[in-house]
Amino acid sequence: KQEVTQIPAALSVPEGENLVLNCSFTDSAIYNLQWFRQDPGKGLTSLLLIQSSQREQTSGRLNASLDKSSGRSTLYIAASQPGDSATYLCAVRRYNTDKLIFGTGTRLQVFP
Amino acid sequence: DTGVSQDPRHKITKRGQNVTFRCDPISEHNRLYWYRQTLGQGPEFLTYFQNEAQLEKSRLLSDRFSAERPKGSFSTLEIQRTEQGDSAMYLCASTGTGDEQYFGPGTRLTVT
Repeated sequence: KQEVTQIPAALSVPEGENLVLNCSFTDSAIYNLQWFRQDPGKGLTSLLLIQSSQREQTSGRLNASLDKSSGRSTLYIAASQPGDSATYLCAVRRYNTDKLIFGTGTRLQVFP
Repeated sequence: DTGVSQDPRHKITKRGQNVTFRCDPISEHNRLYWYRQTLGQGPEFLTYFQNEAQLEKSRLLSDRFSAERPKGSFSTLEIQRTEQGDSAMYLCASTGTGDEQYFGPGTRLTVT
């Protein structure tokens, strides 16, 4: 059974810091991994999708890496801003299914 | 492209009543997903459609839950005889030719 864990559960940092959010999964046979952002009471916004054959993806200040063999992904946020405050979720998709299996998220607060 | 839309955004109902939610996917997206999210948790997969065919259902989807996508466009999720444990955010997502899942704003259900 695939399980997804995110550490830390919560993080509070001053503006301008570079951050690393961690995601680990128990079954390395994944098809892809997706990172999302969720603001309180809202839906999910897709940030980055990494296919199993890729090692990393970048979008603006965000960089996500994937190490399938060790069952890990990291989301790197450069020069954090108060507007980055949200919950960040990672989700994996296995082969032969379309469903995503989510972690419980990292709640990030960036203060001015 | 107006994104995934869901209606209603909030629903309060009494235990034992039936409720129905609607999801309109991004235009021309042929795959549609329903997830449920409770407070402090990541979303959990409920079911998925490719066009009008329901291809996968979670064991979470008890016989009180039914989902349809009759013409391969919008989808409805009905919960019969609601219970307090059904209180959650119900999220819909869609995917087109790529693998990225795009989520709607969700419907928050409160069962009193």
